[in-house]
Amino acid sequence: GDSVTQMEGPVTLSEEAFLTINCTYTATGYPSLFWYVQYPGEGLQLLLKATKADDKGSNKGFEATYRKETTSFHLEKGSVQVSDSAVYFCALSAQYSSASKIIFGSGTRLSIRP
Amino acid sequence: EAQVTQNPRYLITVTGKKLTVTCSQNMNHEYMSWYRQDPGLGLRQIYYSMNVEVTDKGDVPEGYKVSRKEKRNFPLILESPSPNQTSLYFCASSLRPPDRGPRDGYTFGSGTRLTVV
Repeated sequence: GDSVTQMEGPVTLSEEAFLTINCTYTATGYPSLFWYVQYPGEGLQLLLKATKADDKGSNKGFEATYRKETTSFHLEKGSVQVSDSAVYFCALSAQYSSASKIIFGSGTRLSIRP
Repeated sequence: EAQVTQNPRYLITVTGKKLTVTCSQNMNHEYMSWYRQDPGLGLRQIYYSMNVEVTDKGDVPEGYKVSRKEKRNFPLILESPSPNQTSLYFCASSLRPPDRGPRDGYTFGSGTRLTVV
């Protein structure tokens, strides 16, 4: 079935470091791919999305490129800030799936040291 | 402001006492869904609704009920809560079902932290 695998956390970085959080997926057809962010005590917010191969989603300095050949959607940011500390979820929405839902990865907790 | 509103944010209750968590969206979305989030288990879908009067089970429906009498509201009902239903609950909505176009993702509520003692 459809699934999302993302790197285990927690990830701890210093401020201004480069961030990569890996995400790979399994899906039939042409899924849409998402990154959601959950700040402490809050709900999940859509950070960025990509709906077809080679699309690049971007928002707030974060980027991710939909790579169909490697079934990946890795999240990157060139220079992280303390305010980026949160849990990040990779997710997919499969096309014409028998399960009507967005499928989420397990989440990666990111902590940024000042 | 376009949003999904859940109430209450926090709830402590006793085993067996019926409760309802409300969810309302103001975006005229067709699709609504409930998830629970547990450490080490991620987000699991409880129930979803494709439209008014159309609901279906998700991955973990046992012990829960839902209804969709109006497009904007999708309450989650625990008829006889048990301690294993202690969790963080999220309501989510989208314009269309996630596997149909446009696949724009969910809008989530802020969550309800439920403790059953």
